[in-house]
Parts: sequence; C-alpha cells; structure tokens
Amino acid sequence: ETGVTQSPTHLIKTRGQQVTLRCSSQSGHNTVSWYQQALGQGPQFIFQYYREEENGRGNFPPRFSGLQFPNYSSELNVNALELDDSALYLCASSSRYSRGQDTQYFGPGTRLTVL
Amino acid sequence: TQLLEQSPQFLSIQEGENLTVYCNSSSVFSSLQWYRQEPGEGPVLLVTVVTGGEVKKLKRLTFQFGDARKDSSLHITAAQPGDTGLYLCAGGPTDSNYQLIWGAGTKLIIKP
Repeated sequence: ETGVTQSPTHLIKTRGQQVTLRCSSQSGHNTVSWYQQALGQGPQFIFQYYREEENGRGNFPPRFSGLQFPNYSSELNVNALELDDSALYLCASSSRYSRGQDTQYFGPGTRLTVL
Repeated sequence: TQLLEQSPQFLSIQEGENLTVYCNSSSVFSSLQWYRQEPGEGPVLLVTVVTGGEVKKLKRLTFQFGDARKDSSLHITAAQPGDTGLYLCAGGPTDSNYQLIWGAGTKLIIKP
C-alpha cells in the first residue's frame, strides 16, 4: 500500500505566474484535502475533493482552484501568484464511506517560494 | 470563526522531564486530533478523541479531551530526544464533516 505522494518537492516561482501542484492519494482513498501551511503556523484548509467534485472550501480566493481525477489523484492550481502564497502545500487523503471526521493521511508537501 | 489556541508556542526541556501542551477554544468540537510534524514532512496523526472527558494513552503520551469538548491537552512523561517535533491539534467543527480547524502548533525540543 503506497502512501500519499506529492510533486514537486520544491518550487520557485515569481509573482504573477501560475503553478500546478500534484497529489496522489493513498490506495483505496476517495477524498483529497489541500492545506496551506505558512512558516511557523498550522495548516489552513483550502478545499476538499470527493469523487471528483469540490466538497468544501476554506477562506481562499478563486485563484486557488483544484481538480480530482477518476483515479482520485488531485491537482491544486494557483493563478496570479503573490508573495504571501509562499508556503508548504499539503495534500491529505482519506476514505469517506460514512459520516464523521475521516482520518487524513498527509503527504510530505510541496514547498512553494514566490519571489 | 472557530479558533484553536495552542500553548506554549515553544518549549525546550531536558530529556527525562515531563511536559504538558494545551489546545484551547471557546467553541465546541465534535472531535479533536493531535498530530506530530517533523521538518520537511506532513503531519502524522497521533490520536483522535471524540468524547468529552476522554483520555487516551500512547506509550508515554497521554491525551485528554475536555468535558465540554472545547479543549484538550497532551502530556508527555519522561520526554526523550525522539519526541522533538511540532505538535499540532486540529478540531472537527460540529457543523462540518470535512474541514479541520488547526492550532498554530507547539514546537518541542528535547535536549539530551
């Protein structure tokens, strides 16, 4: 059973550019959540995808968008990058077959630096 | 807006000492999770507590959920250098099945 993987590990972009981050969920998981973790802070929820549809969204602007594919892998896209977007982006997969909080398994994250 | 406040933000102690980390809120949570995160890695789930007053033990770590489900504590007995890391609490809001509310974390350093 493979765990959650993310790519790339590190990324450097300049202001105004666009970026796509990728996440492969753990085998058997159908839900992916994305988080932004600024240095010295806890993760902030961006959005969650369940069976290829957005299932909930945190307080992030529309330039943060995502996709989930039929194999449950996911992408996070950020347009018009700003300096404050510099952070560790975490993907977490879980298995949603019943109500209640699911156990989320996190990937190692992608460290994005915006110059 | 539901918030979770963790204290202390930073703690550096000698190996063998005991410590307690707190996670407090004015809001009620349906569940409370504790994670440990090491540099360059994602958080790893340590425990989930769901019942007010619940106590769970994981070797030298003891987790407690407050009776009113608004706060939680993590107690480490006889801390070891391997316990070093960032400890995060995350609460499941009562009105959401998907969003976790996170604390800012407690950075713990155990000196040999």
